[in-house]
Amino acid sequence: NAGVTQTPKFQVLKTGQSMTLQCAQDMNHEYMSWYRQDPGMGLRLIHYSVGAGITDQGEVPNGYNVSRSTTEDFPLRLLSAAPSQTSVYFCASSYEGADTEAFFGQGTRLTVV
Amino acid sequence: DQQVKQNSPSLSVQEGRISILNCDYTNSMFDYFLWYKKYPAEGPTFLISISSIKDKNEDGRFTVFLNKSAKHLSLHIVPSQPGDSAVYFCAASERSNDYKLSFGAGTTVTVRA
Repeated sequence: NAGVTQTPKFQVLKTGQSMTLQCAQDMNHEYMSWYRQDPGMGLRLIHYSVGAGITDQGEVPNGYNVSRSTTEDFPLRLLSAAPSQTSVYFCASSYEGADTEAFFGQGTRLTVV
Repeated sequence: DQQVKQNSPSLSVQEGRISILNCDYTNSMFDYFLWYKKYPAEGPTFLISISSIKDKNEDGRFTVFLNKSAKHLSLHIVPSQPGDSAVYFCAASERSNDYKLSFGAGTTVTVRA
């Protein structure tokens, strides 16, 4: 009963490096999204997908790319890491839209030095 | 510009008493509201939700009230238990905007024995 699995749990990057945060769900959910959580800011939507092959930008998309080639996977790519991208990242999935319960992964704590 | 605001960063309550968490929003197009609970080092988990066509929804010890004219919702926890100590996020979504979730900054609840 895995639910939403995020890897890695922790990551330290140097400024300018690139990396991919992985997200996989086994609930056959159509809707997936990425958030970042910063102190005093709550969770802010980075990118989201309403189904395989469809992605769109959220509130804070700059510096991030996503793709959705399968229903199960929704990786988040940091193109050239910056200290401002130091944050905790959460992936979430839900059946249809965000008016239904969203299931979150455990998060990835990313530090950019 | 945050559309969902939780103006109380923290709340301390004695075990057995009522916890009242407040949330205000600015977007009158929101039509679904949710509360999520988050423990340290874990992802948020869904707690309770309410549609904009209702003014109250109850689930066990948790009740959410919605006042659309005031653009205000609240979460009541009665009675509060030590396991309720967590960060609570208020969130809202708009069906016409792909159900994208907007989150408040969160309220940290501490239940004292």
